[in-house]
Amino acid sequence: GQQLNQSPQSMFIQEGEDVSMNCTSSSIFNTWLWYKQDPGEGPVLLIALYKAGELTSNGRLTAQFGITRKDSFLNISASIPSDVGIYFCAGSSSNTGKLIFGQGTTLQVKP
Amino acid sequence: NAGVTQTPKFQVLKTGQSMTLQCAQDMNHNSMYWYRQDPGMGLRLIYYSASEGTTDKGEVPNGYNVSRLNKREFSLRLESAAPSQTSVYFCASKGLAGLGELFFGEGSRLTVL
Repeated sequence: GQQLNQSPQSMFIQEGEDVSMNCTSSSIFNTWLWYKQDPGEGPVLLIALYKAGELTSNGRLTAQFGITRKDSFLNISASIPSDVGIYFCAGSSSNTGKLIFGQGTTLQVKP
Repeated sequence: NAGVTQTPKFQVLKTGQSMTLQCAQDMNHNSMYWYRQDPGMGLRLIYYSASEGTTDKGEVPNGYNVSRLNKREFSLRLESAAPSQTSVYFCASKGLAGLGELFFGEGSRLTVL
């Protein structure tokens, strides 16, 4: 079945540093999404990508839909303590319509 | 606007007991989903309902049943709970617009002893 590999599994960084995480797939997706989960809550959508090569920003967050349609990355610039949480990538293909999630990247920010 | 509401938020069961997790959404969404979240494994799809009256298996359906009661409500039932079903369960919904954008509830933490 379809699988997503998300890396790194965890990150511990200093406030103000930039962060980068990525996801790769064994198959092609036509939608890539990035979610953030705060402790004790459900995931919340950060950025949605619908076209290969698309680069989208949302404040300090930037995400790109890889040109091969098998990968995506998320960058966070100038991290702040409230960026702490688990970040998930998710992909969807046209033949299933279902979202497949990566394993998550746990981010900790030291003030 | 409540979005997606799940009950209960916490539950402790003994092995072999049964229970139902309830989920309701007030966004008039067609599709609803049940995921489980385990450390290091991300979110795995248990069952989903693409529209009222239909349900389909996801990646990990064994040990679970679902009911799409109406457009708003989608319940997940554990008939005979096992310790392997200890997890955090999330309900989500998706409308026709916005491809792939799921809206999640706050989660239900289930412990099976």
